[in-house]
Amino acid sequence: QVQLVESGGGLVKPGGSLRLSCAASGFTFSDYQMSWIRQAPGKGLEWVAYITPSGITIYYADSVKGRFTISRDNAKDSLFLQMNSLRAEDTAVYYCARVGPGTTSNWFDPWGQGTLVTVSS
Amino acid sequence: SYVLTQPPSVSVAPGQTARIACGGDNIGIYSVHWYQQKPGQAPVLVVYDDSARPSGIPERFSGSNSRNTATLTISRVEAGDEADYYCQVWDSRSDQGVFGGGTKLTVL
Repeated sequence: QVQLVESGGGLVKPGGSLRLSCAASGFTFSDYQMSWIRQAPGKGLEWVAYITPSGITIYYADSVKGRFTISRDNAKDSLFLQMNSLRAEDTAVYYCARVGPGTTSNWFDPWGQGTLVTVSS
Repeated sequence: SYVLTQPPSVSVAPGQTARIACGGDNIGIYSVHWYQQKPGQAPVLVVYDDSARPSGIPERFSGSNSRNTATLTISRVEAGDEADYYCQVWDSRSDQGVFGGGTKLTVL
């Protein structure tokens, strides 16, 4: 079955860096657009970043542009999020999600279980 | 940037119909997607492209979209439907995903 498993979360100091990974299985990873979405504790969902199957086209939320970098390794069925210059407001559960196939309306299905990133001194 | 507005909460008795609204400027021209999130779990897609249902989602879940409001309708509500529900669109003008603030559905 389709599965997404995130890893790499943890506690980091403000200004620090962290790299999240998402391991995909159960589908042809290289055929799909992918995204990262986050959820601060007790808050709603916030879309973070998007990448096309080739990795050529990438989009970011304004709140992370210039600090976060999304990338992928199709040979290893993996998605990544490099997070630099982290701030307290980046504290959240980070989910990776597959983007709906063959569409520009870009829904997210399925989602991984999430990994918690805590930015605190 | 594009903004989606949802009521913070909706309450409904078991067996009744719940309607959760998602407001946005001319949202009718967007494709709207809906997610269900239960406590401690990842979100699950329940409706995509306004009214399509993914495999495995009960027919009780349906969606509509017109002018400035999209609506998720849950018929014959069950206790297990109690969850947070989020609407979402892809704003192709800014190339960004947009989520509504979420609505907590309480089954009385």
